[in-house]
Amino acid sequence: DVKVTQSSRYLVKRTGEKVFLECVQDMDHENMFWYRQDPGLGLRLIYFSYDVKMKEKGDIPEGYSVSREKKERFSLILESASTNQTSMYLCASSETGEGTEAFFGQGTRLTVV
Amino acid sequence: AQSVTQLDSQVPVFEEAPVELRCNYSSSVSVYLFWYVQYPNQGLQLLLKYLSGSTLVKGINGFEAEFNKSQTSFHLRKPSVHISDTAEYFCAVIGLNDYKLSFGAGTTVTVRA
Repeated sequence: DVKVTQSSRYLVKRTGEKVFLECVQDMDHENMFWYRQDPGLGLRLIYFSYDVKMKEKGDIPEGYSVSREKKERFSLILESASTNQTSMYLCASSETGEGTEAFFGQGTRLTVV
Repeated sequence: AQSVTQLDSQVPVFEEAPVELRCNYSSSVSVYLFWYVQYPNQGLQLLLKYLSGSTLVKGINGFEAEFNKSQTSFHLRKPSVHISDTAEYFCAVIGLNDYKLSFGAGTTVTVRA
């Protein structure tokens, strides 16, 4: 059974803290993604990676960075958390190839106070 | 770039009644289309996808969708819903030779007895 695992379901952090969200996939997928989900806005792409150490900005990268040191692990970093980064964060992975399905983790609900 | 518009943000429906969720997309290239479902407090899972061939696509849990190229639409239907179909539904598109999904804002379906 395919699996994308996010390290935390719920997180509460203080403004200004550095926050790490971790994601691991066990499917040997090349592509990994971080999305942010907000009511009425759907899912918006923050960053994605198509190979180890490779990354590209998505639609809303400001205030975020990512790290992919190993193929199975993709980390999202909030350098200095702010209240407007309170959201649901979803990690996904997919194979390289046309029209391939993305598999999603359970999500991390982050609250910044 | 691609974009997706889900025309209904909320769809209330009675149990055993039919439901249709509308999705329109825009793209300058050929696309692949997906519907995902998100049950409460869970990640997204794939309902169905259109890659090529027959424009009527059948998915899991009795859902189906029809691709209409001239109308740039990919509407999702189920002839008879259950309480367990209460969830948020997302339409998504990916362009040819791309691997980044673009999502609509989502449609919340609430099934009542």
